[in-house]
Amino acid sequence: QQQVKQSPQSLIVQKGGISIINCAYENTAFDYFPWYQQFPGKGPALLIAIRPDVSEKKEGRFTISFNKSAKQFSLHIMDSQPGDSATYFCAARRSNTGKLIFGQGTTLQVKP
Amino acid sequence: SAVISQKPSRDICQRGTSLTIQCQVDSQVTMMFWYRQQPGQSLTLIATANQGSEATYESGFVIDKFPISRPNLTFSTLTVSNMSPEDSSIYLCSVEDGGTDTQYFGPGTRLTVL
Repeated sequence: QQQVKQSPQSLIVQKGGISIINCAYENTAFDYFPWYQQFPGKGPALLIAIRPDVSEKKEGRFTISFNKSAKQFSLHIMDSQPGDSATYFCAARRSNTGKLIFGQGTTLQVKP
Repeated sequence: SAVISQKPSRDICQRGTSLTIQCQVDSQVTMMFWYRQQPGQSLTLIATANQGSEATYESGFVIDKFPISRPNLTFSTLTVSNMSPEDSSIYLCSVEDGGTDTQYFGPGTRLTVL
């Protein structure tokens, strides 16, 4: 039972372009929505996160857009760079247990 | 943010044996989690390990196969018992910063079972 659905599975973007990854959740008992970046052979690293009372959060080239009514949130990477090539995971935190439910992941390739 | 180390970083084991993975954090944390990440897949929560209480396991994971210890607020171990090739995965520990609800992950232990 997948409670967080992520798309696309893979994404190829030209250097300088915008990368957009989308997630949708099915449960309203989530209170925190982080995005993680994972390079091969490494553990996931927190990239940016948002709470449901905020519609947008920006940190440098990374922006989360959050639509509470649609139960959707997305990651935008502006001016994508080859160094951004990695796998990205969205997640949702259960408010009562702290458990994270992860999306399926998106493999991003930024071409020079 | 918390700094997490795991030992071993990788191992190759024979079928039927057991491996204990250690997770060390540089600060005291209440909530600790163990995940499995199969090749090319997302992260799946194995169990939650809070100090002072028994670990709670997710559906599909049992204590006999994945016993967990949490002796203090900075350390935990996960044992993968009676291993089979299907247990070949990356095993990750994470901790939650109670003040921000943020989870930080260790570098992972890459396990290959022959």
